[in-house]
Amino acid sequence: DQQVKQNSPSLSVQEGRISILNCDYTNSMFDYFLWYKKYPAEGPTFLISISSIKDKNEDGRFTVFLNKSAKHLSLHIVPSQPGDSAVYFCAASYPGAGSYQLTFGKGTKLSVIP
Amino acid sequence: GAVVSQHPSRVICKSGTSVKIECRSLDFQATTMFWYRQFPKQSLMLMATSNEGSKATYEQGVEKDKFLINHASLTLSTLTVTSAHPEDSSFYICSARDMRGLPYNSPLHFGNGTRLTVT
Repeated sequence: DQQVKQNSPSLSVQEGRISILNCDYTNSMFDYFLWYKKYPAEGPTFLISISSIKDKNEDGRFTVFLNKSAKHLSLHIVPSQPGDSAVYFCAASYPGAGSYQLTFGKGTKLSVIP
Repeated sequence: GAVVSQHPSRVICKSGTSVKIECRSLDFQATTMFWYRQFPKQSLMLMATSNEGSKATYEQGVEKDKFLINHASLTLSTLTVTSAHPEDSSFYICSARDMRGLPYNSPLHFGNGTRLTVT
């Protein structure tokens, strides 16, 4: 039973356009959400996060939106750059999870075409 | 920024041998480290939570005797894959959280992973 779902395994976007990566979750106890970026043969790198008390968090070209009623969050990258090409993982946690461990989605591979 | 070092980055071993993977937090103390495993095109699956000075907590379906975890200090956790088999071939990643006065939801910092191939 996958509690964090990224239903799009891949996404291609033209350079300069907006990339929108989506994530859905089923566990209503999740109260903190994170996006990680991962290049091949490397560990994930933290990108941006959002607490459940907010519906938007922005950091430069990256914005995360949270819709709690729909149990949905999305990552917007504007403008997209070729260096953004990577696998993006959505992750979630809640206070009761053992030592605040993260539950990850399967990832979405973003390809930004020059 | 917080750095987690994982070693080796790649290892090939023969079936039946054991392999040790090290995870170090270089510039912070990590009372808790996590070990993940990733199969191709799959999510990062948590294997176990490693707490300094105590026994690791394993996720359901993860064999404790096969994946030995030791967290002897605040900066080092090791994962030993014992009697490795080809099906253990995978990408293993460790992570740690800097617990210095940060809220529980501070982001995890990941090592670069270890690609294990068992022949």
